[in-house]
Amino acid sequence: EVQLVESGGGLVQPGGSLRLSCLASGFTFSDHNMNWVRQAPGKGLEWLSHISTSGSIIYYADSVKGRFTISRDNAKNSLYLQMNSLRDEDTAVYYCARAGSTWYAANFWGQGTLVTVSS
Amino acid sequence: DIQMTQSPSSLSASVGDRVTITCRASQSITKYLNWYQQKPGRAPKLLIFGATNSESGVPSRFSGSGSGTDFTLSISSLQPEDFATYYCQQTHSSPYNFGQGTRLDIK
Repeated sequence: EVQLVESGGGLVQPGGSLRLSCLASGFTFSDHNMNWVRQAPGKGLEWLSHISTSGSIIYYADSVKGRFTISRDNAKNSLYLQMNSLRDEDTAVYYCARAGSTWYAANFWGQGTLVTVSS
Repeated sequence: DIQMTQSPSSLSASVGDRVTITCRASQSITKYLNWYQQKPGRAPKLLIFGATNSESGVPSRFSGSGSGTDFTLSISSLQPEDFATYYCQQTHSSPYNFGQGTRLDIK
């Protein structure tokens, strides 16, 4: 069974840092591009970042560029999102998602982890 | 950046109705257009990828069409479980922006 399990969310003060993890199982993690997507309370989906299978190709949304860093460890079947200089507007549920190899659609999603940025 | 605009933003319909949701890209994305369904408190689910390809397990009443800048998601005969929010997303070039969503509720 394919599973993506996010962890690392929680309450953090503005300006603080947090590292999200996503543990993959049930498929060959190293064969798949991966993404992070977030959803602020009551709002739509916002794509944040993409990483290729080897980690050699990385993209970011402008809203997080320079503050967030995506990475992966294929030996540990894990995806990460290091989030620095957090702002109130970063409060959201953060999803990791597996991407297809041709059209890059997010074909499997984790259950999400809530990040709350507040003083 | 490529902007994605969905219409309508919300839609009321009845079980058995045929509904169409449109998504327009600010520049050509060929067929790099995906559709997702999201129910409250749940992660999104992929319905259509590459504009016209149905994800495995998705009911045949869901279909996608279009290329270039204009795309549609059609649901041929609404079922009770189809009332949800639908998003398009382009994966032609970074940033892989989503549309703002279309909320489909029961009339």
